[in-house]
Amino acid sequence: DQQVKQNSPSLSVQEGRISILNCDYTNSMFDYFLWYKKYPAEGPTFLISISSIKDKNEDGRFTVFLNKSAKHLSLHIVPSQPGDSAVYFCAARGTNFGNEKLTFGTGTRLTIIP
Amino acid sequence: NAGVTQTPKFQVLKTGQSMTLQCAQDMNHEYMSWYRQDPGMGLRLIHYSVGAGITDQGEVPNGYNVSRSTTEDFPLRLLSAAPSQTSVYFCASSTDREAYGYTFGSGTRLTVV
Repeated sequence: DQQVKQNSPSLSVQEGRISILNCDYTNSMFDYFLWYKKYPAEGPTFLISISSIKDKNEDGRFTVFLNKSAKHLSLHIVPSQPGDSAVYFCAARGTNFGNEKLTFGTGTRLTIIP
Repeated sequence: NAGVTQTPKFQVLKTGQSMTLQCAQDMNHEYMSWYRQDPGMGLRLIHYSVGAGITDQGEVPNGYNVSRSTTEDFPLRLLSAAPSQTSVYFCASSTDREAYGYTFGSGTRLTVV
């Protein structure tokens, strides 16, 4: 029972264009949604998050959109840069006891083409 | 500030051997977790802890034990290694400020032959 799903294993985008990574979830108890970026041979690093009470959060080139009714979130990267090439994981967690653990999707490998 | 420190970085075990993966954090975080990363499977939770003395199972706990005797340390024990436990293991920690998520260590690459 996969509660967080990333249906696109890979994505290639031209440098300077917009990258859009998608994520779906099934557990309505999730309160926070996060995106992590992972380079080879390193641990994941936190990128951006959004609370379930918001529908958009921006941080520089990165914007996360949340559609609670559709249980869907997306990460937009504009403009895409070569250093953005990495694996991106969507994750979710709740705030009440038993739901505070972080649940991850399977990841999307983003390749930025120069 | 060291963050989350995992040791060792690489390990090769023979089937049936036991070992402990070490994890330490110096941020006074209450929550700590162990994940394994396998191709096409993403990051799967093995065990987690919400504070010293409190642990619980995650998605794939079989074959692993944990304990949390201090806030700083959260070791993961492999009781009798199996080839299916070949993976990259990540330890992570977090406060209860949910928006900031978890801080991850750099991982331990384990091969069981």
